[in-house]
Amino acid sequence: QQPVQSPQAVILREGEDAVINCSSSKALYSVHWYRQKHGEAPVFLMILLKGGEQKGHDKISASFNEKKQQSSLYLTASQLSYSGTYFCGTEKETSGSRLTFGEGTQLTVNP
Amino acid sequence: GAVVSQHPSWVICKSGTSVKIECRSLDFQATTMFWYRQFPKQSLMLMATSNEGSKATYEQGVEKDKFLINHASLTLSTLTVTSAHPEDSSFYICSAKSVGPNSYNSPLHFGNGTRLTVT
Repeated sequence: QQPVQSPQAVILREGEDAVINCSSSKALYSVHWYRQKHGEAPVFLMILLKGGEQKGHDKISASFNEKKQQSSLYLTASQLSYSGTYFCGTEKETSGSRLTFGEGTQLTVNP
Repeated sequence: GAVVSQHPSWVICKSGTSVKIECRSLDFQATTMFWYRQFPKQSLMLMATSNEGSKATYEQGVEKDKFLINHASLTLSTLTVTSAHPEDSSFYICSAKSVGPNSYNSPLHFGNGTRLTVT
């Protein structure tokens, strides 16, 4: 079952913040976040496994709610390099890393 | 970091011919690899799960006789698109996950993708 991502697209000015959401109707085993630039392969950002988990790297962070049905990706003080399409990939229990990806959120950061 | 190499990067073929795409894990072993297909401005859709030494598991709606998958070693999986047609034109991406005691916490590593154009 495909997770629901929102928003579909967002346009920012450099330095602004953004939040991308990913939700599932059922509890998940894990959530993976990736960024893909046009014509390239997705690049791994982070993985969340535990309910209530929050983690980050540099100015990109993510959370996973207690029920393990919703995750959010936070982009702080966005840079031009953040532009791309962000996908959440969700994994159900015992799926062995078989990820189902959301529709993606297209992020554009302008100068 | 873990590297997945996919070859070729792009291929143009005539309708009715077959095309083979290779996916290699360069610095780790992968008992399982995944093949995705992505149409322009759409999400990655899982086609099949490739298991080393056994038959691939195909997602619903994916024709196993058309998309042949072979995973003969822990570092190589191949996808062959047989009798390709223009509607098979797409971006095909493989991914792999390293095995080991901490594999549950490790991400999928994606190849750079193969853009297939069938004329």
